[in-house]
Amino acid sequence: DIQMTQSPSTLSASVGDRVTITCRASQSISSWLAWYQQKPGKAPKLLIYKASSLETGVPSRFSGSGSGTEFTLTISSLQPDDFATYYCQQYNSYRTFGQGTKVEIK
Amino acid sequence: EVQLVESGGGLVQPGRSLRLSCAASGFTFDDYAMHWVRQAPGKGLEWVSGISWNSGSIGYADSVKGRFTISRDNAKNSLYLQMNSLRAEDTALYYCAKTVGSSGKYPFDYWGQGTLVTVSS
Repeated sequence: DIQMTQSPSTLSASVGDRVTITCRASQSISSWLAWYQQKPGKAPKLLIYKASSLETGVPSRFSGSGSGTEFTLTISSLQPDDFATYYCQQYNSYRTFGQGTKVEIK
Repeated sequence: EVQLVESGGGLVQPGRSLRLSCAASGFTFDDYAMHWVRQAPGKGLEWVSGISWNSGSIGYADSVKGRFTISRDNAKNSLYLQMNSLRAEDTALYYCAKTVGSSGKYPFDYWGQGTLVTVSS
């Protein structure tokens, strides 16, 4: 089974900050990686697919990069609406989620 | 508008069974693979099971293999999860999720709001 490891688990940041979250796969998943945002009491929302493709309607301050086993999600300028928990997901073989990164207000 | 509405959750004793349903609308259901994802209270997301558009390809997480069975009825636009031999660690909010494609390598583009399963004596 493919394991996904996200870091950090929690991130404290201020509005306007550049934020980077890392996701590492236990084996190569090519670019079959997605990023989701989840707010309390809500279902997850797809942000990025195929490692770097922005889902329709998602603000351009979100970007993804990486391939193989190392991936990053970057928020170029953190906005108040972005405080949430972010999950990576591999879909190369079945599905596996990372443990999540909570972005909180500093 | 795509809608996924889960039902069937509730309080159940350890060792008993429960069947979850997901009613889909707003898209051509039999064009897409579907999945179940769960989230224990205060915890992260865990993929549970997935099924291709024609039920020809099915997968399960190791944690539920042999106890849970996924199925779909394309005529009824519905997805199901039969959960047997339930354990306390199966307590979670269960989400139904739609993929972008019919089978294979696609992320989830729509999610339901979830149905809560609580396993406790």
